[in-house]
Amino acid sequence: DTGVSQDPRHKITKRGQNVTFRCDPISEHNRLYWYRQTLGQGPEFLTYFQNEAQLEKSRLLSDRFSAERPKGSFSTLEIQRTEQGDSAMYLCASSSGQGHTEAFFGQGTRLTVV
Amino acid sequence: GESVGLHLPTLSVQEGDNSIINCAYSNSASDYFIWYKQESGKGPQFIIDIRSNMDKRQGQRVTVLLNKTVKHLSLQIAATQPGDSAVYFCAETHGSGNTGKLIFGQGTTLQVKP
Repeated sequence: DTGVSQDPRHKITKRGQNVTFRCDPISEHNRLYWYRQTLGQGPEFLTYFQNEAQLEKSRLLSDRFSAERPKGSFSTLEIQRTEQGDSAMYLCASSSGQGHTEAFFGQGTRLTVV
Repeated sequence: GESVGLHLPTLSVQEGDNSIINCAYSNSASDYFIWYKQESGKGPQFIIDIRSNMDKRQGQRVTVLLNKTVKHLSLQIAATQPGDSAVYFCAETHGSGNTGKLIFGQGTTLQVKP
């Protein structure tokens, strides 16, 4: 399977715990995005990487959130001291970055904070 | 501010009929638009895209129409099938910074009645 892969698919955590999600983009794609989607809403942009450089972060990305893409391939999104409001689907997408091109999404990680 | 919205939250059609899903956007600088299909528990799936220098683009059973004068986008699905049942999102991006960051609307749920 050469699509965007996310792990885990589901995560249930207690409030206050830290969680980390992983995204493996399509191998030749140099652009990687994280989005958050709550029930009944469209995905909202969180952050964007061009290779290993994090070039844009949304105001939605509070200090408790951090994302990395250390070698320009896979990326991780960590949420510290989770809150119930963090419960959402976290989506990763990648694109080739050659002008306007379609972004391919992974299946997402569903986070539930209890 | 930027916004992308859809006119109807839910559209119900009979199998075999044509479906039209509408979207309005507010950013006149938007120059690239994508329609995504999202099934329950899955990530958004690319359907079709259109650049602002075009007003119509056709794919397999789908057509996207763009009216830049009124900032309106529509997705037409011919001979709608039960497998088309999903939530449909329009998304836009624009050339500023050329990050490829997508702004999504809230989505229209398409229900196909057998």
